[in-house]
Amino acid sequence: GAVVSQHPSWVICKSGTSVKIECRSLDFQATTMFWYRQFPKQSLMLMATSNEGSKATYEQGVEKDKFLINHASLTLSTLTVTSAHPEDSSFYICSASPAGGPRVNEQYFGPGTRLTVT
Amino acid sequence: AQSVTQPDIHITVSEGASLELRCNYSYGATPYLFWYVQSPGQGLQLLLKYFSGDTLVQGIKGFEAEFKRSQSSFNLRKPSVHWSDAAEYFCAVGTTGNQFYFGTGTSLTVIP
Repeated sequence: GAVVSQHPSWVICKSGTSVKIECRSLDFQATTMFWYRQFPKQSLMLMATSNEGSKATYEQGVEKDKFLINHASLTLSTLTVTSAHPEDSSFYICSASPAGGPRVNEQYFGPGTRLTVT
Repeated sequence: AQSVTQPDIHITVSEGASLELRCNYSYGATPYLFWYVQSPGQGLQLLLKYFSGDTLVQGIKGFEAEFKRSQSSFNLRKPSVHWSDAAEYFCAVGTTGNQFYFGTGTSLTVIP
């Protein structure tokens, strides 16, 4: 149980275009989802916290107008990288916390999305 | 502010040898602590977690970790390493707001 999927697993886009990444909790409901960014051989950096039905909370230094987050349902959050540039190339990972129950303080991670901007 | 330090960027051990990966955290309240493993190009798999209670926690794949409040540490151990344990290991602290902050990771190489 507690499976999180991401789609696509990898994407290549041209500079200036926008890319949407989906994060789904497959077998549980998640009131809170999280988006991380990971550069090669580096740690995960929390970008934003996404709460179902409300605006996302962004970490300091993360441009909210560039990284649009929507959490429209209890099983789906999306990250849209707008006007992507090569420096946005990275590995984006989402996670989800179960809504209530004994696992509410845990996060379950998706497999990640490799974004390459050319 | 919360932070996690993993002092060892890279560790090499022989197969069958014991392993200890260090993790120190900084957090003003009682932390939730986690260890994750990541294989190349993959997501994170939870090895074990500490919320409260017994300070020695057992995880999957034969891993264990000990929470030492006085040292602000949560070191990961395994008595006998297998070649399949080669991966990147991340320690994380979870806040009361359920946000996770990760250490910089320790890359483990296992030699035959």
